[in-house]
Amino acid sequence: AQKVTQAQTEISVVEKEDVTLDCVYETRDTTYYLFWYKQPPSGELVFLIRRNSFDEQNEISGRYSWNFQKSTSSFNFTITASQVVDSAVYFCALSGANTDKLIFGTGTRLQVFP
Amino acid sequence: DSGVTQTPKHLITATGQRVTLRCSPRSGDLSVYWYQQSLDQGLQFLIQYYNGEERAKGNILERFSAQQFPDLHSELNLSSLELGDSALYFCASSVGAGPAYEQYFGPGTRLTVT
Repeated sequence: AQKVTQAQTEISVVEKEDVTLDCVYETRDTTYYLFWYKQPPSGELVFLIRRNSFDEQNEISGRYSWNFQKSTSSFNFTITASQVVDSAVYFCALSGANTDKLIFGTGTRLQVFP
Repeated sequence: DSGVTQTPKHLITATGQRVTLRCSPRSGDLSVYWYQQSLDQGLQFLIQYYNGEERAKGNILERFSAQQFPDLHSELNLSSLELGDSALYFCASSVGAGPAYEQYFGPGTRLTVT
């Protein structure tokens, strides 16, 4: 069975702090895809990144970076120098090679205070 | 703005009623997905259509049905509504079928059953 665990329910930081959101996944597939989505207070789900299981290179996009480690089945997300606009619920998701559906974690609510 | 549109934005109805949620995918996208987000179940995949055909089914109740029309828009029909059906219903679209394609989400329809 496939599963995504986001153990951090809520994180609060002060602006300019770095913060890491954890994501641990379970799958028996050798080919799979991992995703991060952001859900701001307005409610929509915003796509952030997709990573396939054969690409373990870390990725950086501005203040965002992702660390994919197959050895620990983790796909963690770091925001550097957080800003108030980063306040949202962040979801990690997984899909397997033979299914298009996304399996979501329960989400981590990030609150960034000024 | 993801380019995926959903109507209506909000819907309030009574138990036992039937409603239809509508989704227009991004221009050029052939796949449409429906997800339900509720407090107790989190984000769950309901069903997927690709170019008019049902491609995958998730935890969709028998009281719920969906279809994708020749112009690629999709409708999700919910009948015999119960209080527990109150949730945010998302539509997503992607260019193709398969886990390698990013899914872009619409703003959602918030359904309240009273």
